[in-house]
This record gives sequence, C-alpha cells and structure tokens, in this order.
Amino acid sequence: AQSVTQPDIHITVSEGASLELRCNYSYGATPYLFWYVQSPGQGLQLLLKYFSGDTLVQGIKGFEAEFKRSQSSFNLRKPSVHWSDAAEYFCAVGARSGGSNYKLTFGKGTLLTVNP
Amino acid sequence: EAGVTQFPSHSVIEKGQTVTLRCDPISGHDNLYWYRRVMGKEIKFLLHFVKESKQDESGMPNNRFLAERTGGTYSTLKVQPAELEDSGVYFCASSQVNRGSYEQYFGPGTRLTVT
Repeated sequence: AQSVTQPDIHITVSEGASLELRCNYSYGATPYLFWYVQSPGQGLQLLLKYFSGDTLVQGIKGFEAEFKRSQSSFNLRKPSVHWSDAAEYFCAVGARSGGSNYKLTFGKGTLLTVNP
Repeated sequence: EAGVTQFPSHSVIEKGQTVTLRCDPISGHDNLYWYRRVMGKEIKFLLHFVKESKQDESGMPNNRFLAERTGGTYSTLKVQPAELEDSGVYFCASSQVNRGSYEQYFGPGTRLTVT
C-alpha cells in the first residue's frame, strides 16, 4: 500500500528566507505526486503535480518541487517566502481508483509559520 | 465557475445522533471524492463516485457511513449513529473525467464534532 511521510510537523521561517518542505513516499509503481496547500478556512488548493517527464516541476505562487526516484522524495521549495505563504502543506501520492482516476494518499501535513 | 461547496461548514451533534453532510461538486465534474481528516492524523480517502456509481468505497470506516449521489450531481454523506471517533473534517473533491490532468478540486470541508 502507498504511504507518504512528511517528517516536519511545524516549520517556522522568516519572511524572505528560502523554504524546503520534505516529502517521502512509498508506492509500488510510478508515482503521481502532488502538493496541496490549505489556508485557514479554505479548501485544499493544488500547488503542483508530477506525472512524468521533467523531474523539476513548477507550480503556482512561486513554488517548485523536485521528484527524486532514487530517494523516493518530492520536496517542495520556494526561494523567498512571503507572509501569505503561512498555511498547512500536504504532500500526496495518487493511486488508481477505477479506470483512469486516482485517489489520494496524504501525508500528515506541515504547518508553516512565517515570521515578519 | 463556482468551486466545490460543502454544507454545513460546522456541525456539532451528540453521540448517537444522525448527521448528513452535503457536497456540491463543480458543475460537469463526473468524479466526486470524500476524504476525512481526524484530528492529528492525515487526510484519508473514504470513497469515490463516478457519476452516480460508487467506484471505490474501500476507505469507508464502517456501515454507519452511507454515501449517495443520486442523479450524479450533489452527494450526501450520512453518519448514523454518530460516534465520538467520527469527529473530524470531512472534505469533498471533484474532478473531470476526460481532461487528463486528474486534478481534484477540494471544498472547504465540514468540521464535524461529536460530543
């Protein structure tokens, strides 16, 4: 069965600093990988996804992630954090759920606090 | 385009009572998913509809949970009778079948508190 590990429950960074959120996955086939963000009172918003091809994926809001098969990792990065990036971040792997559709297995999430 | 909506946003019920959660997917989305996040744990898959058919209900915790999607539009998730361990945030998501992007669009969730 697939699983996702986000080893950091809570991270605090200063505004303008760089950010890296870690994600490791376990999946028996080629993984479909996702990063979602949830701001307070909001639903989960997709930041970026990896299905195939270039292992460095660009997303919205200046985020990027790199798929490293050898390390079973899909870490999320941003070069300069803004105060509005404070939120909870979820890494997920997609597994087939009938036909060509996928159900998501999530990590426990990383809560990001941004200091001014 | 309206996003995924869920109602109510918050529900507080007593153990043994019944609660029905509703999800309205994005118009035209055939796929509808339910997920749940129990406090301190990860978000977990409950089930997946394609139109009105249950495609995968492997994540449903027990037979106290009943999901329906009559007519292939909105969906309801009924918990009867509710237990303390059912407390958590219930998310609904929808996606379109033939776009190839497989992106699931999530609603804001319903926070269920069972006392």
